[in-house]
Amino acid sequence: DSGVTQTPKHLITATGQRVTLRCSPRSGDLSVYWYQQSLDQGLQFLIQYYNGEERAKGNILERFSAQQFPDLHSELNLSSLELGDSALYFCASSVAGSSNYGYTFGSGTRLTVV
Amino acid sequence: AQTVTQSQPEMSVQEAETVTLSCTYDTSESDYYLFWYKQPPSRQMILVIRQEAYKQQNATENRFSVNFQKAAKSFSLKISDSQLGDAAMYFCAYRHPNSNSGYALNFGKGTSLLVTP
Repeated sequence: DSGVTQTPKHLITATGQRVTLRCSPRSGDLSVYWYQQSLDQGLQFLIQYYNGEERAKGNILERFSAQQFPDLHSELNLSSLELGDSALYFCASSVAGSSNYGYTFGSGTRLTVV
Repeated sequence: AQTVTQSQPEMSVQEAETVTLSCTYDTSESDYYLFWYKQPPSRQMILVIRQEAYKQQNATENRFSVNFQKAAKSFSLKISDSQLGDAAMYFCAYRHPNSNSGYALNFGKGTSLLVTP
């Protein structure tokens, strides 16, 4: 157990629907990062939050949004889902705003859009 | 964005032997961070080793070591005395030194390592 908790582990939904992925960072970590892993695109950075505020944005689609709550857990919202959104979504956390020592990853949420 | 290239989609090694996984990257910075992550079939991403670019000494973690060639922008991972549990996808990652580019890690496409008995 890495200390980073992601729920649910698996999610199957239909095109056009909206889902929410949840992440609880490791105790003491203030930064949360979201990544999408697909076979063709590899690991793509989506967005980072630090202590409740957005810190950096990557290749995140406008249909996707995220937030970090006062208790530091984070949610990634995916809407108007398309078949191409099927992927493994990782959350990772680090102590500070930077990631000099790397991240601690959760075990991921496998999203399947049918 | 900085590009990270892993030119070996698949590698194979026999148990107890040594294998080297290649990684090159593109950056104009002089100070940055490099990482190797392991993703076994469980799909958990596990940090294997990290290197700070300003340090000339190659990082070592038990059976894992790196060959960091800054001028060549090369960061290879050497696994000694390979074990069956080393079988996994290995990802090389780069992190920019300052917040202007965000703190995201840029990952390569990965190398799948097979360990044979």
